[in-house]
Amino acid sequence: AQTVTQSQPEMSVQEAETVTLSCTYDTSENNYYLFWYKQPPSRQMILVIRQEAYKQQNATENRFSVNFQKAAKSFSLKISDSQLGDTAMYFCAFMKRNSGNTPLVFGKGTRLSVIA
Amino acid sequence: DADVTQTPRNRITKTGKRIMLECSQTKGHDRMYWYRQDPGLGLQLIYYSFDVKDINKGEISDGYSVSRQAQAKFSLSLESAIPNQTALYFCATSEGGTNQPQHFGDGTRLSIL
Repeated sequence: AQTVTQSQPEMSVQEAETVTLSCTYDTSENNYYLFWYKQPPSRQMILVIRQEAYKQQNATENRFSVNFQKAAKSFSLKISDSQLGDTAMYFCAFMKRNSGNTPLVFGKGTRLSVIA
Repeated sequence: DADVTQTPRNRITKTGKRIMLECSQTKGHDRMYWYRQDPGLGLQLIYYSFDVKDINKGEISDGYSVSRQAQAKFSLSLESAIPNQTALYFCATSEGGTNQPQHFGDGTRLSIL
């Protein structure tokens, strides 16, 4: 079974600064996908970024980027130029890559507060 | 993105009542999921369905049942609600094939007294 660990229950960052959220996972699979989801106070679950394990290049989406270290089973999220609207819970998630989509396995989340 | 609609948005009910949470989507996605979110525990999978005739248990299916009435509709039932089922419930959908992210509804907050 896969497990996802987010070791930082809460973090804070000053507006315009950079913050990195940690995620590690445990799997015996070689092919899989990793995701970061954002849950603002409105409680929606919003996909932030995704990474395919067979791609060495780290994914980026505007101010969001990941540091994917496959050997270390690490998948951290970097938020640059933090904005007040980035305040949210952030969940790291894992999905096996096989003949069909398998459900996501989520970490317990990191609550990020962006301070003005 | 998929338009995933969950009803009701909030519900308060009493122990022992039968509750149904509904989910519908308008994008024709094959796969649908039900998750439960508790504070400090992230999201846990209850049930999932890859098509109308396919239903699979997730990690916390005890006390729940589901019905995939059509491709677009996936209902979650609590046959006899108990207080520790108080949580935020999410429905999600995804297309078939690999590398398809899940798209979530806005959640149903369920409180059982």
